[in-house]
Amino acid sequence: GAVVSQHPSWVICKSGTSVKIECRSLDFQATTMFWYRQFPKQSLMLMATSNEGSKATYEQGVEKDKFLINHASLTLSTLTVTSAHPEDSSFYICSASTGDGKNIQYFGAGTRLSVL
Amino acid sequence: GDSVTQMEGPVTLSEEAFLTINCTYTATGYPSLFWYVQYPGEGLQLLLKATKADDKGSNKGFEATYRKETTSFHLEKGSVQVSDSAVYFCALSDQGGFKTIFGAGTRLFVKA
Repeated sequence: GAVVSQHPSWVICKSGTSVKIECRSLDFQATTMFWYRQFPKQSLMLMATSNEGSKATYEQGVEKDKFLINHASLTLSTLTVTSAHPEDSSFYICSASTGDGKNIQYFGAGTRLSVL
Repeated sequence: GDSVTQMEGPVTLSEEAFLTINCTYTATGYPSLFWYVQYPGEGLQLLLKATKADDKGSNKGFEATYRKETTSFHLEKGSVQVSDSAVYFCALSDQGGFKTIFGAGTRLFVKA
């Protein structure tokens, strides 16, 4: 149980275009979802926290207009990288929490974004 | 603020060797502690966790004990396998479980 599906797993796009990444909790309702960015051989950097039906909370230094997060349902959150540039190339990982007080996050497999 | 410090890698071991990856934390209150594992090209998987002092988390031969007196949560395995090669992240979650803070990760290479 507690499976999180992230799609796509890999995307290549041209500079200036927008890319949407989906994160779905397949067998549980996720009251909270998290979006991370991971640079090569580095740890995860929390970008934002999203709660279903409300605006996402962004970490300091993360541009909310560039990284649009929507959490429209208890099983789906999306991250849209708008007007992508080569410096946005990275590994993006989502996670979901059941909100049952166990403090466990279940992670998607990640999306590798390459901006040409 | 809360933080997690883990030993730098990479750690290279021969198969069947004993593994220790050190992790210490700084936090207010009583956080939950976790070890996550990331295999190449994949997301993170929860390996084990402990929610209070003196708890021991264990899974797949790995174990770690929540030591409040030394603020540590070291990961150990008695006999590593090639398939254990991965990056291991120590992490803590505050009492509210609202945010998880990760260490920098330790890359483990196990040679046959």
